[in-house]
Amino acid sequence: GAVVSQHPSWVICKSGTSVKIECRSLDFQATTMFWYRQFPKQSLMLMATSNEGSKATYEQGVEKDKFLINHASLTLSTLTVTSAHPEDSSFYICSAQTTRLGEAFFGQGTRLTVV
Amino acid sequence: TQLLEQSPQFLSIQEGENLTVYCNSSSVFSSLQWYRQEPGEGPVLLVTVVTGGEVKKLKRLTFQFGDARKDSSLHITAAQPGDTGLYLCAGGRNYGQNFVFGPGTRLSVLP
Repeated sequence: GAVVSQHPSWVICKSGTSVKIECRSLDFQATTMFWYRQFPKQSLMLMATSNEGSKATYEQGVEKDKFLINHASLTLSTLTVTSAHPEDSSFYICSAQTTRLGEAFFGQGTRLTVV
Repeated sequence: TQLLEQSPQFLSIQEGENLTVYCNSSSVFSSLQWYRQEPGEGPVLLVTVVTGGEVKKLKRLTFQFGDARKDSSLHITAAQPGDTGLYLCAGGRNYGQNFVFGPGTRLSVLP
């Protein structure tokens, strides 16, 4: 299957700082990428849909000014958690969608801990 | 509103047993995908089914897409501890639209 790389795998940051997470599609171009948040023992919660060259579409209840998404190329989308607080600590996962069957492949996730 | 339901939500079985996980919806999907996720990792795609009534086999795993493309099942034969994980079904619509994820089935296979 297609490969999606997410970086970093884990990060610890101080409260009030910003953290950037990268999501790259390594062997295909993805005009659409998705960002999810996952709480322990729960399913994936969609945060936003990232479209190359245009503004991201955020789900209800997700603050767009806090979770900045940039999809500047067909292979890279970034999620920046601004002014992070302990309640932002979570597992963040991205996925990129292929044009073939619309299959989605996921990154390995980023464990964010805000202290 | 949860568009995809999965059952059971939790399942703990002994090694060697068979099991079936169900994914149901009132909506029609253009495709349906099954993923397995292990703790601390992203979901890994197991299979994509697109045709109503389609059956796909992946070693001991058998996937079926309902005739009306509203439901799917995953059957595991002779489960092994390595099958332990969170199984997610996801309904696909048009390209560029988000997949609808089920709540997941957490499977634990005991040796």
